[in-house]
Amino acid sequence: KAGVTQTPRYLIKTRGQQVTLSCSPISGHRSVSWYQQTPGQGLQFLFEYFSETQRNKGNFPGRFSGRQFSNSRSEMNVSTLELGDSALYLCASSYLGTQGGEQYFGPGTRLTVT
Amino acid sequence: GENVEQHPSTLSVQEGDSAVIKCTYSDSASNYFPWYKQELGKGPQLIIDIRSNVGEKKDQRIAVTLNKTAKHFSLHITETQPEDSAVYFCAASRGGGADGLTFGKGTHLIIQP
Repeated sequence: KAGVTQTPRYLIKTRGQQVTLSCSPISGHRSVSWYQQTPGQGLQFLFEYFSETQRNKGNFPGRFSGRQFSNSRSEMNVSTLELGDSALYLCASSYLGTQGGEQYFGPGTRLTVT
Repeated sequence: GENVEQHPSTLSVQEGDSAVIKCTYSDSASNYFPWYKQELGKGPQLIIDIRSNVGEKKDQRIAVTLNKTAKHFSLHITETQPEDSAVYFCAASRGGGADGLTFGKGTHLIIQP
C-alpha cells in the first residue's frame, strides 16, 4: 500500500506571499491532519479534515486554512506569509483520525520564508 | 489543553545496551499514547502505541509502559542497534474528536558503536 505523499517537498517564498501545500493520504483513509514542526516549538497540531469537513483545529491564526476533497486529498494554505512560518509542514493520514486511530505521517514540505 | 513533557532531550547509549525515554502528560482524559521515530529528512514513523486500558505493550525489541495514575509512559528499546539512532517523540491524545496529537519535544537517541 502506498504511503502518504506530500508535494512539493521544498518551497521558498517571500514574506507576504501565500502558499498551498498538498497531501495525498493512504488509500482508504478518510482523515488528514496537518502539523507544523519547528526547532523551537516542536510538532504542533494545525487542523484535521475528515470526510471533507474540518473536525478539529489547533491554536493557529486564521492565515492557516485547509480543505479536503472527495478523494480525501487535502490542501493547506497559508496566506500573508511571515518569517516565523518557516517550518516543516507534515500531514498525517488516518482511518479514524483524532478519534483515536493511528496516524501515519508523510515526508513533509519544507517551507522557507525569506 | 494537554501538555506532554519528554526526557531526556539527548540520550547516548552503547550499542547492545537498553535505552529508556520517559514522558508525562497533564490531561487525565488522554487515552492514546503513540511513539514516533524521526530520521533526518523524513517524517515521523509510528513505531508503537498504547491505549489507556493497557499497561504494557511489546513489539520485538520495543516496549511501552503506561502508568495512568502517575500520568506517565515510557519507551524501552533493548539490544540497541546503530539504526535505532534517530529522534523519538512521544505523543498523547484524548481521542473522541479532541485536539489532535500533542507531542513531547523529542529525544535524540545516539547509539555509540
